[in-house]
Amino acid sequence: QVQVVQSGAEVKKPGASVKVSCRASGYTFSSYAMHWVRQAPGQGLEWMAWINAGNGDTRFSQTFHGRVTVSADTSASTAYMELSSLRPEDTAIYYCAKWATVTGPGAFDIWGQGTMVTVSS
Amino acid sequence: DIVMTQSPDSLAVSLGERTTINCKSSQSVLSDSNNKNYLAWYQQKPGQPPKLLIHWASTRESGVPDRFSGSGSGTDFSLTISSLQAEDVAVYYCQQYYSSPLTFGGGTKVQIK
Repeated sequence: QVQVVQSGAEVKKPGASVKVSCRASGYTFSSYAMHWVRQAPGQGLEWMAWINAGNGDTRFSQTFHGRVTVSADTSASTAYMELSSLRPEDTAIYYCAKWATVTGPGAFDIWGQGTMVTVSS
Repeated sequence: DIVMTQSPDSLAVSLGERTTINCKSSQSVLSDSNNKNYLAWYQQKPGQPPKLLIHWASTRESGVPDRFSGSGSGTDFSLTISSLQAEDVAVYYCQQYYSSPLTFGGGTKVQIK
């Protein structure tokens, strides 16, 4: 079945970077964009970025001021999100989510299980 | 950025009752080119990722019970649960995918009265 599986929880110190992976299966990885969304404890959903897994095009939320990098390895059907210069307020669950449509914008039909990132000194 | 505003923040509903959650966007999310509203609804239960319920404002995702329905156009949208079941206790989010940055509403928590 179609699914995306994320890497495990991370604990980082302020100023460090974290890289989260999202491995897709059950569909043609390069045909769909992959998005990254985060959720701070007890809070709502915040969109971060997306990558067109086919051609590598990316788009980012300005909220992260260049701290976020997204990439994709089509040979491994895996997307990556790296967040740098971590701050305690970056403590959150980070989700990857697959776009529902091959062409153009769409909703997120498949979500990863989430990766908890804790930033603490 | 398009701001998505949901109301109410939370509500308590008796089992079997009908309930409606509202979502308002600061700009229209209706495309002139295809006459589609770029609006989705998600359900999130504790400890789980969000689950897509409705997209294109009113299209139910495969496998979603038909007690869930979406309506609205332009800037005003609603998610209705026709007969609340115990398993519907969750937080519900609307999202626009009309323009970047994609944005979510603040969420509506639905509980059993």
